[in-house]
Amino acid sequence: GAGVSQSPSNKVTEKGKDVELRCDPISGHTALYWYRQSLGQGLEFLIYFQGNSAPDKSGLPSDRFSAERTGGSVSTLTIQRTQQEDSAVYLCASSSTKITGELFFGEGSRLTVL
Amino acid sequence: GENVEQHPSTLSVQEGDSAVIKCTYSDSASNYFPWYKQELGKRPQLIIDIRSNVGEKKDQRIAVTLNKTAKHFSLHITETQPEDSAVYFCAASNGFQKLVFGTGTRLLVSP
Repeated sequence: GAGVSQSPSNKVTEKGKDVELRCDPISGHTALYWYRQSLGQGLEFLIYFQGNSAPDKSGLPSDRFSAERTGGSVSTLTIQRTQQEDSAVYLCASSSTKITGELFFGEGSRLTVL
Repeated sequence: GENVEQHPSTLSVQEGDSAVIKCTYSDSASNYFPWYKQELGKRPQLIIDIRSNVGEKKDQRIAVTLNKTAKHFSLHITETQPEDSAVYFCAASNGFQKLVFGTGTRLLVSP
């Protein structure tokens, strides 16, 4: 079956522009995560959706970042007024269980802010 | 919230040697501890996980040990091979909240 799909795979934008990154999780997976990975760095938690519960937004670095998940499936991460420090790979992951279990990651969206 | 520390940041071993990566966590409520492997340019993938009702789990050449009293857990790789070269991440969760990752260990296995 299809895995986690992310788009675009690469995005180059100018400082100050808004960007949207899309994640299509594995069908039926109730949990969805966004992480950020800067070059050679770790996996920085951004936001966590679990079913119909209120999302855990505690990792969003500033109010320029927001995310939504429509219909319990597709998620969009939006970064407004991009800055150069936003350049990173944004990874989406989904999981099938309500209790934390294996995360299946997408290939990531590489964002470069010039 | 949960904080996970991971050591060492880099580890170089000779093929056939053992490798050990250690993590500590802060939230005593955490009860799920997975390890992910990320090869260069690839997505992270789960290689082994442990829940707090067991102290050790093995899968062929890899094993994870957990010490809940000390709040630390470790990944052990025996008989390392060049294809084990990758970045390894530990993580922790209380089972109902976000999964928090450590900062990663770059393992290099030299032939």
